[in-house]
Order: sequence, then structure tokens, then C-alpha cells
Amino acid sequence: SYELTQPPSVSVSPGQTARITCSGDALPKQYAYWYQQKPGQAPVVVIYKDTGRPSGIPERFSGSSSGTTVTLTISGVQAEDEADYYCQSADSSGTYVFGTGTKVTVL
Amino acid sequence: QLQLQESGPGLVKPSETLSLTCTVSGGSISSNNYYWGWIRQPPGKGLEWIGNIYYTGGTYYNPSLKSRLTISVHTSKIQFSLRLSSVTAADTAVYFCARSYFEYSNSGLSTWFDYWGQGTLVTVSS
Repeated sequence: SYELTQPPSVSVSPGQTARITCSGDALPKQYAYWYQQKPGQAPVVVIYKDTGRPSGIPERFSGSSSGTTVTLTISGVQAEDEADYYCQSADSSGTYVFGTGTKVTVL
Repeated sequence: QLQLQESGPGLVKPSETLSLTCTVSGGSISSNNYYWGWIRQPPGKGLEWIGNIYYTGGTYYNPSLKSRLTISVHTSKIQFSLRLSSVTAADTAVYFCARSYFEYSNSGLSTWFDYWGQGTLVTVSS
């Protein structure tokens, strides 16, 4: 199996931009997805297929991909964006993997 | 609105089998392009994919759990289940059931979890 590596934590002031990276050797061949998880709640997908944004997710959430790294960007961070964020991918055999997770703190 | 609800014992003894059921409401479990899956999260730690099942019974398991894992589907009851044998304290976690949309294209497999249950804590302890 393969791994997806994220920074453990990112701190950002309100109104600033948060960037969360996810690195993995298989990412050039596989799509990535991003989930937001608040304490005591189930995760919610905020980005699908590297750059897609589900309906109901604010426009300040965006995704990008370059080589072995995908990035979740939160522009104009708000206090409500404080949460844990996980990337996820899957190979063609149907095996899924989640990233190590990043805690976003809004200062 | 699709809803998923996990149910099962909250306490399991070491070496025994953990059994959970996920009941689906507001939608059909027999839909094309959807897997039904289990994910777990040890207290204070990250998410771990356990496995998925398609409504026809095809399964996809995390290689690290495969030898102890059985996922089954009961379409008539709109439920799917998880059985994990020979549990240890390391299996203590919040267990989520979820629906995963999937599609194949020239770019390969695209799949993500779009609906989740609220999660249920299972503690392994004597």
C-alpha cells in the first residue's frame, strides 16, 4: 500500500490564506479528494477529483495538483474553517488511502 | 436525503469479534456507481479505510485488515455489515459507515465518500 503525507498542523489568521499539502507517489496517476472534519462529527468532502467543489461548499475552498503533491487552499479563512483536513485517494483496484491529517488552527 | 446509521456493541472483549451494521435510509443500497464502506478513527488519530462492498457482493479490503475482515451486504434489509475478528486494543476506534460514489474514465478510477453515518465508538477491553 502507499501513503499520503500531510503536515500535522497549519495556523492562519482570519482572512488570510491557508494551504494544506498532501504528498504521495501515486498522486500523478490518481485523483485526490479532501475532507473537513470538525470535532465529534463525520468528515465532509470539500474537494473531489483534485479541483472539483461539491455544491454547498464555499468558494473559498479550492484544490490543485502538481506532480506528487496536491494542495487544498482556503482563501479568506474564517473561524468556522478550524478543523482537521484529510486527503484521500484510491488506486484502480479499489484500495483507498487517507492522508495523515492536518489540523488547521485559526488564530 | 440519504442517511446512514451504525449500530452494534460499544464494548468488545479482546480476541472476540467486532460486529457492526449500517442501516441505509432515504435511498437504495442497490444503486449503480456506489460502494458502501467502513472507515475507522482511533481516539485522537486519523482516518483509516477498512473496506468497501458493492451491492452485488463484491468486496474491497484494506490489505492490513484483510485476514480478519468480512463485509457483507443485505439488500433486502437495506443494510451492510462489518465483522472484524480477533480484536485487540488497537482496534478501539470510532467506526463510520459511508457511501462512496465511483466512476471509471480514461483517467482511471474516481471515487470518494459522499455520505457518512455519525460514527459509533467501539472499545476493545476486558
